[in-house]
Amino acid sequence: EDQVTQSPEALRLQEGESSSLNCSYTVSGLRGLFWYRQDPGKGPEFLFTLYSAGEEKEKERLKATLTKKESFLHITAPKPEDSATYLCATGGGADGLTFGKGTHLIIQP
Amino acid sequence: EAQVTQNPRYLITVTGKKLTVTCSQNMNHEYMSWYRQDPGLGLRQIYYSMNVEVTDKGDVPEGYKVSRKEKRNFPLILESPSPNQTSLYFCASSPLGPGYEQYFGPGTRLTVT
Repeated sequence: EDQVTQSPEALRLQEGESSSLNCSYTVSGLRGLFWYRQDPGKGPEFLFTLYSAGEEKEKERLKATLTKKESFLHITAPKPEDSATYLCATGGGADGLTFGKGTHLIIQP
Repeated sequence: EAQVTQNPRYLITVTGKKLTVTCSQNMNHEYMSWYRQDPGLGLRQIYYSMNVEVTDKGDVPEGYKVSRKEKRNFPLILESPSPNQTSLYFCASSPLGPGYEQYFGPGTRLTVT
């Protein structure tokens, strides 16, 4: 059974304080590793897809990286508007994505 | 604008009263799915559809029905809602199919009393 574990569950940072969120996974036949951002009461917003170990993708202050067992979402010099829940998901099964429970990120001004 | 829409956005109902949550996408995606999101449990897939007239169960299908008669629409039906179906529901679609990135609707918050 596919499993996705995200850590920490919650993270509070000061504005400008860089950090990383972790997503570890066990899945047979990884088809992709996905990162989403979710604001309260809204649908998840797609950020990145990573397909192979060593791959990196960037968008503004976010950079996602992938190894054979985990992925990191690095946040550089975050701003309050980066506050959200960040979800990680794996694809590989015939039915769809397996999501982690998310990291709730708060950036304090 | 490419998007997934859901209606209603908020719904309060009583136990046993049949309801339908509509989902529509304008991106010509063949794959669509429904999720529920609960505190501490994350997103869990209810049903999915690979194409018109092709649907299958996800992880938590009990108490739900779906239909896919048109490519753009994928309604979720609760024939006899119960309080344990109180949740936040999301519809999603994908251009590439299961196991690939999905694009989510804004959500429907359902309360069953």
